[in-house]
Amino acid sequence: GIQVEQSPPDLILQEGANSTLRCNFSDSVNNLQWFHQNPWGQLINLFYIPSGTKQNGRLSATTVATERYSLLYISSSQTTDSGVYFCAVGFFSSNTGKLIFGQGTTLQVKP
Amino acid sequence: GAGVSQSPSNKVTEKGKDVELRCDPISGHTALYWYRQRLGQGLEFLIYFQGNSAPDKSGLPSDRFSAERTGESVSTLTIQRTQQEDSAVYLCASSHAGGYNEQFFGPGTRLTVL
Repeated sequence: GIQVEQSPPDLILQEGANSTLRCNFSDSVNNLQWFHQNPWGQLINLFYIPSGTKQNGRLSATTVATERYSLLYISSSQTTDSGVYFCAVGFFSSNTGKLIFGQGTTLQVKP
Repeated sequence: GAGVSQSPSNKVTEKGKDVELRCDPISGHTALYWYRQRLGQGLEFLIYFQGNSAPDKSGLPSDRFSAERTGESVSTLTIQRTQQEDSAVYLCASSHAGGYNEQFFGPGTRLTVL
């Protein structure tokens, strides 16, 4: 069936370190989004990236649709980066735009 | 408004009561989605509205759940005869028309069923 898998499930970093979060998906996609869920539960849009590479400050993302994965890079991490990162995917096989979410990566950045 | 808004932000109810949750999408967004997030989990799709097309209800977990949307504006999600397993955060998202457009989420309604 349709699957979205994120790794690692948990990550602990020292402030200033870099990290890579991965999202694997099982089928062709027409939408892929990365979100950061803050401690208050709000989902913050990081990237809309069904293919290609984008950068926004210390964050960047790459999606290789033909190989069915996406990567989120966080450089020079800060304590405010802590929280849960979700990858969410829309599949061509779906008749609607519903997003299928991974289980998330919980990031803790220590000062 | 500037973003998706939802009300109430928190709702505590007793088992067996009905609840109604409200979502106000971003102005101009014709697509509207409801998702549910159980504690420590990712989001699960519930229902999708696009303009005047028939909604995609494939994610609704039981017939106790229903949703309505008037035109391209406000939507309400109704849960009848609430059960404890309905306790979760209910999030609404909106996007421009077309299933492949970027979705923007509201702050959610935290529902607790006692």
